Amino acid sequence: QSALTQPASVSGSPGQSITISCTGTSSDVGGYNYVSWYQQHPGKAPKLMIYEVSNRPSGVSNRFSGSKSGNTASLTISGLQAEDEADYYCSSYTSSSTLPFGTGTKVTVL
Amino acid sequence: EVQLVESGGGLVQPGGSLRLSCAASGFTFSSYWMHWVRQAPGKGLVWVSRINSDGSSTSYADSVKGRFTISRDNAKNTLYLQMNSLRAEDTAVYYCARDRRGYGDLGYWGQGTLVTVSS
Repeated sequence: QSALTQPASVSGSPGQSITISCTGTSSDVGGYNYVSWYQQHPGKAPKLMIYEVSNRPSGVSNRFSGSKSGNTASLTISGLQAEDEADYYCSSYTSSSTLPFGTGTKVTVL
Repeated sequence: EVQLVESGGGLVQPGGSLRLSCAASGFTFSSYWMHWVRQAPGKGLVWVSRINSDGSSTSYADSVKGRFTISRDNAKNTLYLQMNSLRAEDTAVYYCARDRRGYGDLGYWGQGTLVTVSS
């Protein structure tokens, strides 16, 4: 049960777009359209931002979008804002009914 | 309003046991799969375990298999995590979370409860 691989950090200036990758295998990310993305601010519980690869829960800004190609899923934040500075995690359903998370990416707004 | 409130965390010695609870309200608890996720201080999220809506199916991370047991009481709207043979590396904030459809999108989370394993 290995964690999914994410870049440790990504940064961008206000108004720019950034993309965070999440790489797994054919047994998780590549095998199912059940990839989720979470935002976590320091000292807070995680918040669901994207589910089923590209769907946004009610109330989540449309600046957040998700996609997938092969074994890699991606989260794009467009029109970067100061409030987007946080840690981001992906997760994926797997063939063994487990739910590994990604290694986490710290987003910094310059 | 959906609410998940964890309790039962605290300081425990290595080899000891602890039972966490997660009280659910604001939704039909018996209709949803539930998960436990933990986060060691300064580290990332790690999935621990999940249970289906009627408690008949469970799954665990390899790191806790054989030591932790997830269960639920739908009459009491409460999720549990029984943790035995605790190790220093189990030190973390433990979150309970509600699964939207059973495929791992966790739309609601509790505030977490801290478990510290130390002598």
